[in-house]
Amino acid sequence: GAVVSQHPSRVICKSGTSVKIECRSLDFQATTMFWYRQFPKKSLMLMATSNEGSKATYEQGVEKDKFLINHASLTLSTLTVTSAHPEDSSFYICSARADDPPGTEAFFGQGTRLTVV
Amino acid sequence: GQQVMQIPQYQHVQEGEDFTTYCNSSTTLSNIQWYKQRPGGHPVFLIQLVKSGEVKKQKRLTFQFGEAKKNSSLHITATQTTDVGTYFCAGPRQGAQKLVFGQGTRLTINP
Repeated sequence: GAVVSQHPSRVICKSGTSVKIECRSLDFQATTMFWYRQFPKKSLMLMATSNEGSKATYEQGVEKDKFLINHASLTLSTLTVTSAHPEDSSFYICSARADDPPGTEAFFGQGTRLTVV
Repeated sequence: GQQVMQIPQYQHVQEGEDFTTYCNSSTTLSNIQWYKQRPGGHPVFLIQLVKSGEVKKQKRLTFQFGEAKKNSSLHITATQTTDVGTYFCAGPRQGAQKLVFGQGTRLTINP
């Protein structure tokens, strides 16, 4: 089945530094990918929609300058958490749905557990 | 805005007991999807329901989509320890590819 690979799975960084998370669709093309944030024992909160070749669209309340998204190709989207602070510590997950044939199910990456110290 | 509510938030059962989680949307859905997230893992697609009143079965799991296409349920018969995890329903946001997820129901099982 379709696979979405997310890297790194865990990262610890110092406050004030930036962290880049990659999301790759391994065997299908995805014009659109989605980035979620999940707090412990909570649901998935959509942060932004990553669009290949154009700007990402952010959900209300999500700072676009804080969470930079780049969708450089049909198989790769990156999320950069800039000037990270402890409150940014969370589980970040990407998902993608196939362009062709038009996919229905969302495939999720393994997630990235970010800890800012 | 569009909301998807899911109950209960938590459910603890003895192994062998049945389990049901319910999902309600504030708006009519074109389809509804169900995902399972194991502890420490990522959500994995289980099924999609599209038709009003649709019922689908996967072994011990039974999924239903309401007649009004605003609610759905997942029922597990005779739970096993492998069923442990959080079950999420999700519906497409109106006119978009985005999915709106319910809060999830976390199932724990006493062996």
